[in-house]
Amino acid sequence: AQSVTQLDSQVPVFEEAPVELRCNYSSSVSVYLFWYVQYPNQGLQLLLKYLSGSTLVESINGFEAEFNKSQTSFHLRKPSVHISDTAEYFCAVSRLSNFGNEKLTFGTGTRLTIIP
Amino acid sequence: GAVVSQHPSWVICKSGTSVKIECRSLDFQATTMFWYRQFPKQSLMLMATSNEGSKATYEQGVEKDKFLINHASLTLSTLTVTSAHPEDSSFYICSARGVAGAVRYTQYFGPGTRLTVL
Repeated sequence: AQSVTQLDSQVPVFEEAPVELRCNYSSSVSVYLFWYVQYPNQGLQLLLKYLSGSTLVESINGFEAEFNKSQTSFHLRKPSVHISDTAEYFCAVSRLSNFGNEKLTFGTGTRLTIIP
Repeated sequence: GAVVSQHPSWVICKSGTSVKIECRSLDFQATTMFWYRQFPKQSLMLMATSNEGSKATYEQGVEKDKFLINHASLTLSTLTVTSAHPEDSSFYICSARGVAGAVRYTQYFGPGTRLTVL
């Protein structure tokens, strides 16, 4: 079984400051890694994912995450945040598999609040 | 690409009635769809995994007779909450997992359905 830990439930950050949202996972098998963002009263949107290849993955809106296998981490970073980044962020993992029914294991989420 | 829709986005119903929620993958095929429930300020709770053309697999503690799931095609899954009661009020979110190309191995989520049972 897999587990995901997001140690920070809330992260307040001033606008234009950098931010890091931490995600650590535990798994006995190889995994795929994901970050999702949820705005109020909406579903989850995929922010970025790591399946294979380069351990540094980037999103179109300036976020990046680095897969660190030795530290079993997939921390999310942004060098300069905007008010519009205020949202709930979920880290998730699924087992490496070619089957379509692999479940996602979610962390408990991190509420990112941008302070003007 | 990789858009998932849900309908309705919100619904209010009387206790004892049934409510059907549709989940569609609009621009990709998904042999597997998932149904989640989310309580306020909490993470998502997986209710069931739905495979096209076969019976859904329910998570422990989820009543299969209360939450009926049908996955009739590669782009459509439905969740029916039967004989709804106030405790069923929640935010229901579906996701679809791509099987090929850029959407493979990835769950894409719908916008959610807010159910309120009076």
